[in-house]
Amino acid sequence: DIQMTQSPSTLSASVGDRVIITCRASQSINSWLAWYQQRPGKAPKLLIYRASSLLSGVPSRFSGRRSGTEFTLTISGLQPDDFATYYCQRYNGNSTFGQGTRVEIK
Amino acid sequence: QVQLVQSGAEVKKPGASVKVSCEVSGYTLSDLSMHWVRQTPGKGLEWMGGFDSGIEETIYAQKFQGRLTMTEDTSTDTAYMELSSLKSEDTAIYFCATSVAVGADDAFDVWGQGTMVTVSS
Repeated sequence: DIQMTQSPSTLSASVGDRVIITCRASQSINSWLAWYQQRPGKAPKLLIYRASSLLSGVPSRFSGRRSGTEFTLTISGLQPDDFATYYCQRYNGNSTFGQGTRVEIK
Repeated sequence: QVQLVQSGAEVKKPGASVKVSCEVSGYTLSDLSMHWVRQTPGKGLEWMGGFDSGIEETIYAQKFQGRLTMTEDTSTDTAYMELSSLKSEDTAIYFCATSVAVGADDAFDVWGQGTMVTVSS
């Protein structure tokens, strides 16, 4: 089964910072990779799909990139609303989520 | 717009089964590939299974094989997830989720509100 390794598990940052979250697949998943934001008590919210496509309506400070089996989510200019937990997900057929990254206020 | 509305919280005893519903509004269920994801308290997201339109079959995560059944009632646009032989470790929030704007069998851009299932003796 394909494993997804997400890092870091927790990230402390300040408003305005640029943060990068990484997800590595144990084997090729092409670009079938999504990024979600989840706030406490809420359902996840899709941000990026197919590794680098920004969902309509999502702020452009969010971006995704693929390099082989390594994927990154970058938030350029962290906003107060962005302090949340982020998950990667490989999909298309079977699916697996990463372990999550909690972005907290420094 | 598309909405997924799930049934209410459940409390079950170990060994019992639970059936959670997910009603689609603003779209036709037969045009969607519905998936189920759960989240145990304080933990991450876990994909349970869903419909793969490429092979026209419902596929299940290996972990749930044999005790998970996903069904659909297209006359009421309602999807169901039934989990049997419940254990305390199945205590979780269960979400239905699907792809609409991003294309069929793509990432999940529409989610239900979640259903809390508590397994306790």
